Amino acid sequence: GAGVSQTPSNKVTEKGKYVELRCDPISGHTALYWYRQSLGQGPEFLIYFQGTGAADDSGLPNDRFFAVRPEGSVSTLKIQRTERGDSAVYLCASSPELGELFFGEGSRLTVL
Amino acid sequence: GNSVTQMEGPVTLSEEAFLTINCTYTATGYPSLFWYVQYPGEGLQLLLKATKADDKGSNKGFEATYRKETTSFHLEKGSVQVSDSAVYFCALIGLGSARQLTFGSGTQLTVLP
Repeated sequence: GAGVSQTPSNKVTEKGKYVELRCDPISGHTALYWYRQSLGQGPEFLIYFQGTGAADDSGLPNDRFFAVRPEGSVSTLKIQRTERGDSAVYLCASSPELGELFFGEGSRLTVL
Repeated sequence: GNSVTQMEGPVTLSEEAFLTINCTYTATGYPSLFWYVQYPGEGLQLLLKATKADDKGSNKGFEATYRKETTSFHLEKGSVQVSDSAVYFCALIGLGSARQLTFGSGTQLTVLP
């Protein structure tokens, strides 16, 4: 069975550009999470979906960041007007309702 | 708020050596505690967990005991292998935190043959 899939695995963009990062969770998992991991740091929580709705978006750093999960499966993290400080690995995880989190390999974003 | 303080690395050991990676936490009430591992080129994987005081989590020869009195969850293994080389993250889920994990900064372990 497939695990959590994230695309692209690597993205290089220029400052000010718009970026979308995609997450395909494990089939049947109702919960989906986005984390951001900067170099030498542990992952930091961004947002958590239960089904289609964002149950907790308290970790989004500012209004340039937005995430959707329109059909309760695939999720897209959207970053507007990217800044160099947005460079990081963006991790997605999914879980059954109260179960273990399964992480993808991440999308490495580099903003030049 | 919740926080996790983890022993800084990198840690380099010879095969069959004893491993300890220290982890302490700050949280309200009784959080659930976890160790995650990230092998080269792979995603984070749950290694072990403990959900209440004095619980011992164990997996693949690794152990960690939830110590409420010292707010610690140190990771130990009696005899490491080259294949244990990875980055290890201590983490917690606090009460009322909607299941969001708070991670430590990670400890890089390299085991030499």
